Amino acid sequence: DTGVSQDPRHKITKRGQNVTFRCDPISEHNRLYWYRQTLGQGPEFLTYFQNEAQLEKSRLLSDRFSAERPKGSFSTLEIQRTEQGDSAMYLCASGDQFPYEQYFGPGTRLTVT
Amino acid sequence: DAKTTQPTSMDCAEGRAANLPCNHSTISGNEYVYWYRQIHSQGPQYIIHGLKNNETNEMASLIITEDRKSSTLILPHATLRDTAVYYCIVRPTGRVNTGNQFYFGTGTSLTVIP
Repeated sequence: DTGVSQDPRHKITKRGQNVTFRCDPISEHNRLYWYRQTLGQGPEFLTYFQNEAQLEKSRLLSDRFSAERPKGSFSTLEIQRTEQGDSAMYLCASGDQFPYEQYFGPGTRLTVT
Repeated sequence: DAKTTQPTSMDCAEGRAANLPCNHSTISGNEYVYWYRQIHSQGPQYIIHGLKNNETNEMASLIITEDRKSSTLILPHATLRDTAVYYCIVRPTGRVNTGNQFYFGTGTSLTVIP
């Protein structure tokens, strides 16, 4: 399967702990996106990479959040000092050139207790 | 980016065509219409996109009005597996130095009824 994969699929953590999620995009895609989705809402854009460069960040990405894509392949999203409001589905998507459609992974569901 | 308006929910009988409307009256000339769907607890799935002309692929057809202010996604023979939230998104494509990310609304929850 050459789709986008995410790990873990589910994460339960206690408030104040740090968590890290991984995304493996479709191999030939140079664009990688992170979104967050809360219950009943559509996905919200967090950040975007083109190859290893992080080119855009949403204001939703507070200073507790950091994302990397060190070699332009997989990406990690870390949340430090988690809060209950961080509970959500974290989605990764990858894409290529025009017309820039994106292919999403299955998501990581985070629950902060 | 132009805003879209979709009904909150719709039902469709299994085997019938599902017609999902989307209003995008403020669309600009360089903005494409994209449709995604999200089955419960899965990531969004790309369905189709278009600019001016009607488009068809193996999943669906997209009908865009001549003035481009609205569009309809058509699932020709709905099955139970088509039960999902359907998102209509309008986005410029080819902007320089941006990620061309999507801004999702709350979509239409389609329920296919046996």
